[in-house]
Amino acid sequence: KAGVTQTPRYLIKTRGQQVTLSCSPISGHRSVSWYQQTPGQGLQFLFEYFSETQRNKGNFPGRFSGRQFSNSRSEMNVSTLELGDSALYLCASSLGAGKNIQYFGAGTRLSVL
Amino acid sequence: QQQVKQSPQSLIVQKGGIPIINCAYENTAFDYFPWYQQFPGKGPALLIAIRPDVSEKKEGRFTISFNKSAKQFSLHIMDSQPGDSATYFCAASMGYIPTFGRGTSLIVHP
Repeated sequence: KAGVTQTPRYLIKTRGQQVTLSCSPISGHRSVSWYQQTPGQGLQFLFEYFSETQRNKGNFPGRFSGRQFSNSRSEMNVSTLELGDSALYLCASSLGAGKNIQYFGAGTRLSVL
Repeated sequence: QQQVKQSPQSLIVQKGGIPIINCAYENTAFDYFPWYQQFPGKGPALLIAIRPDVSEKKEGRFTISFNKSAKQFSLHIMDSQPGDSATYFCAASMGYIPTFGRGTSLIVHP
């Protein structure tokens, strides 16, 4: 069974630009969560989608948004990029019901110059 | 507010040693405590998890000790190997989304 796939693996953008990251969950998983990982703040939860609906949301500004498609694939968008948005963005998928194990992708490394 | 405090930030041991990583939480509503292992260039992967009705859980060389009254839990790695060198995250959850500790970078020297 294929794991969680994130694309692209690396991105370089400049301040003010916007970026879209993609996540393909494990087949059969209906929940997709997004995290931001930085050395200073660790792993911080952005949002979770389940069956195309945002079910949980972390404490991030509205510049961070996401969506989930009917095939459970998810995209995350960051608008008006700031230098502080440089981070590893991780996607995790799970079945979505009960205390499910989250399976993480390898992440997208975003650098904002 | 950091709801899960993890220590130490980094740890260096010799092969065969027993590194111990500690975590403390504040919210008594947390009811699931997983540990994740992350290698460079990879996403975190679930290592072992425990629920608060159990005081200890062992899987292979990895053991979680849980102290509900102190709101603390820890990971012990028995007979550590160089291949265990990674970053370890504790987490706590009461729903679908875990709150993570800041992580511990473990280096096991041969």
